[in-house]
Amino acid sequence: DIVMTQTPLSLSVTPGQPASISCRSSQSLLYSDGKTYLYWFLQRPGQSPQLLIYEVSNRFSGVPDRFSGSGSGTDFTLKISRVEADDVGVYYCMQAIQVPVTFGGGTKVEIQ
Amino acid sequence: EVKLVESGGGVVQPGGSLRLSCAASGFTSGSHWVNWVRQAPGKGLEWVANINQDGSATYYANSVEGRFTLSRDNARNSLYLQMNSLRAEDTAVYYCARVGFGRSLDCWGQGTLVTVSS
Repeated sequence: DIVMTQTPLSLSVTPGQPASISCRSSQSLLYSDGKTYLYWFLQRPGQSPQLLIYEVSNRFSGVPDRFSGSGSGTDFTLKISRVEADDVGVYYCMQAIQVPVTFGGGTKVEIQ
Repeated sequence: EVKLVESGGGVVQPGGSLRLSCAASGFTSGSHWVNWVRQAPGKGLEWVANINQDGSATYYANSVEGRFTLSRDNARNSLYLQMNSLRAEDTAVYYCARVGFGRSLDCWGQGTLVTVSS
């Protein structure tokens, strides 16, 4: 199984400041079709997870452009350019290159 | 509006069975793979299983293989997760999630809580 490792476990950010979350996979997520199957989700308190970024760097519909994803192979980053109160929650990365699909352990983002 | 609604959760004794349902609306569910993901209380996300568009292919996590069975009825726009031989460690909120762009899970239900306890 592919192990997804997220860092840090938690992040306390001042509103308006940037934040960055790292995700590392135990195997390359680049598939033979040229796509990299790495996704980012946000789970707000008491809510279901919601898709933020698909295939490393593509923002899902309705996701603000202050969210961006980057990376390749086994190393990926989610960046929030200016954190807002609405960004509080737990962020997960996920790989879907092979089953079992696996998630990172999550990064809890709080507002200072 | 694209929506998924899970139901069927509840309290069950160890060794018991439960059948979860996932009702899709606002889209043709038969055009999409669907995954089930669970979240134990206070824990992270764990993938459980997925099923292809016509139900001919299913894949399971090792932790549930042989105990859980995923099926679908596209005429009813519904999916079903039959869970047998339940264990305490199966206690979790169970979400169904649609596969959208590529392999993204672009729409999630609100989840249904399964508690396995004597």
